[in-house]
Amino acid sequence: GAVVSQHPSRVICKSGTSVKIECRSLDFQATTMFWYRQFPKQSLMLMATSNEGSKATYEQGVEKDKFLINHASLTLSTLTVTSAHPEDSSFYICSADDRYNEQFFGPGTRLTVL
Amino acid sequence: QKEVEQNSGPLSVPEGAIASLNCTYSDRVSQSFFWYRQYSGKSPELIMSIYSNGDKEDGRFTAQLNKASQYVSLLIRDSQPSDSATYLCAAPHGSGNTGKLIFGQGTTLQVKP
Repeated sequence: GAVVSQHPSRVICKSGTSVKIECRSLDFQATTMFWYRQFPKQSLMLMATSNEGSKATYEQGVEKDKFLINHASLTLSTLTVTSAHPEDSSFYICSADDRYNEQFFGPGTRLTVL
Repeated sequence: QKEVEQNSGPLSVPEGAIASLNCTYSDRVSQSFFWYRQYSGKSPELIMSIYSNGDKEDGRFTAQLNKASQYVSLLIRDSQPSDSATYLCAAPHGSGNTGKLIFGQGTTLQVKP
C-alpha cells in the first residue's frame, strides 16, 4: 500500500500557541488529502478535505480560521491549529487518496495542550 | 441517521476461530467499501477494499459484499491475538467523486489465546 508520513508524532504545547502538523505522501501524488480528529474511544471525525492548489473544504462545525489547512503540492498538506486550547487536545490523523480512491492514513499526531 | 452501522462489540473469539465482522450501509448508490484495522493508539490501516458483489479473499481475510441487502462483512480465519483491534467499515460519503469516506463506529475484536 501507499505510504503517508506525518510529523510530528506527538506535540505538547501551552494554551494559546499554534501548532503545525505536516502530512506527506511518500510514494505517490495525492490530489486530495483529508484531515481527521479522533477523541479517545470515539470514531474518526472528518475535519476537512484538502485539494492541491485550492482552498480546503471544511466539515460543518469545524472552524476554518482555527484549523488552517494548506495543500501546496501534490505530496504535502499542513494543518495548523491556531491559538490551541486544552479542548483541542486530540489525535489528528491525515490521509491521502491514491488514484484508485483508496485512502491511506498517516501515523497520526497526538496533540496535548496544557 | 448514521449511514454506516457497525456493532461496537466487543466481539470475543478464541484463537484459531473465524471472526465475523458485519457492516450495513444506507446509501444504495455506494459502489465501494473498505475495511480498516486500527490498533489502540494507532491510525487506521487499510486491509481490504471491495467493489463487486460476492467474496474477495486476501490471505486470512475475506470481504463479502451484498449490495441488494446493503451489507458488507469481513471474515478473519484462524484468528490470532495480534488481530485484536478495532475494525472500521467505510463507504464513500454522498454523491460525487469527492473521495470522502464515512466510517462506522468500529467493532472491537478480542482474540483470546
